[in-house]
Amino acid sequence: AQSVSQHNHHVILSEAASLELGCNYSYGGTVNLFWYVQYPGQHLQLLLKYFSGDPLVKGIKGFEAEFIKSKFSFNLRKPSVQWSDTAEYFCALGNTGGFKTIFGAGTRLFVKA
Amino acid sequence: DTAVSQTPKYLVTQMGNDKSIKCEQNLGHDTMYWYKQDSKKFLKIMFSYNNKELIINETVPNRFSPKSPDKAHLNLHINSLELGDSAVYFCASSQGTADTQYFGPGTRLTVL
Repeated sequence: AQSVSQHNHHVILSEAASLELGCNYSYGGTVNLFWYVQYPGQHLQLLLKYFSGDPLVKGIKGFEAEFIKSKFSFNLRKPSVQWSDTAEYFCALGNTGGFKTIFGAGTRLFVKA
Repeated sequence: DTAVSQTPKYLVTQMGNDKSIKCEQNLGHDTMYWYKQDSKKFLKIMFSYNNKELIINETVPNRFSPKSPDKAHLNLHINSLELGDSAVYFCASSQGTADTQYFGPGTRLTVL
């Protein structure tokens, strides 16, 4: 069955630290991959997405993610986090053929000022 | 100029009551969704409609009934509310079933 696994449930960083959030998926076909962010008290919004082409995808607010097909991974990175990046981050897998986008359990990031 | 809107934003009610949540999108999308987010932030798909047709119906109690009067609206009616229904319910829409989803602001339901 298709699945999305986010390795870190809680991450605490100091401002200016580098960030990498892990995401692995399980699906043998063509995939669409997403990272969504949910700021405290708000709804989910898209950070970036990968459908095809360059496996290094750049998103909003300095985030990027790299699709590594051989590792079934789509890790999210940011070289220097800010306090305002404190949020919940969700990795998601689309195009599973079942009309369903599958979300990971989320990673809660807290950035200390 | 809200893309996906939900009403109400907060809903506090007693066990056993019936309540509805409304969702509207003005993005011209053909697919709409209902998600339930629990206190641990886990996001679970409940229903999805594509062009007003139900295409996803996860293992959700029969007390939950979605209705899509047109492509721009997807409402959720809940009968006989239970304590475990307390959560934040998000509506979302997308063009097609595999593209970016746009989420509404959420409805925080509290069942007492």
